[in-house]
Amino acid sequence: NAGVTQTPKFRILKIGQSMTLQCTQDMNHNYMYWYRQDPGMGLKLIYYSVGAGITDKGEVPNGYNVSRSTTEDFPLRLELAAPSQTSVYFCASSYFRVHNSPLHFGNGTRLTVT
Amino acid sequence: DQQVKQNSPSLSVQEGRISILNCDYTNSMFDYFLWYKKYPAEGPTFLISISSIKDKNEDGRFTVFLNKSAKHLSLHIVPSQPGDSAVYFCAASDHPWGKLQFGAGTQVVVTP
Repeated sequence: NAGVTQTPKFRILKIGQSMTLQCTQDMNHNYMYWYRQDPGMGLKLIYYSVGAGITDKGEVPNGYNVSRSTTEDFPLRLELAAPSQTSVYFCASSYFRVHNSPLHFGNGTRLTVT
Repeated sequence: DQQVKQNSPSLSVQEGRISILNCDYTNSMFDYFLWYKKYPAEGPTFLISISSIKDKNEDGRFTVFLNKSAKHLSLHIVPSQPGDSAVYFCAASDHPWGKLQFGAGTQVVVTP
């Protein structure tokens, strides 16, 4: 059982470039999330989705976009990369809302913007 | 504004002894708390949780204590094992729709 799979593992972008971080889960979870982790900081919620076709902003959504066309996939799009987006990005999923079931995380994508 | 704080960035403990990790929070509306464990190059994995109606929850070697009046929770690992060497994140939620607030993490190193 693969769980939550993120690709790529690493990426270096130049300022102004765009890219999509891929996330897929095979657990039939309704809820999916994108977090970023900066050095010495906790994980910050970027966007989340409670089901296919429904997305909403988290704490730090600026500079990102998401879509949820299927239950399995929740890609994160960076349109104009900036150095402030250098971070480790984690995708996560859960079957129910957080009070009832814990998050399952992918292994992360380490992004550097130079 | 960091609503969940883990003031000890690192902790070193001998194998077999107790590890105590602390977490403080500022939002009195938080009603559900979780601990996640993270190994290098992996995503966090769920360890243990507690709701605000309890003051203690135990799962094997791991026990979480909640002191609501002090807005403080702690994770006890007894006995500590080398495989417990990891970063531990405290997280809290005041909302059922998955908006967790995470602390910055505590790196635990268990020495033989």
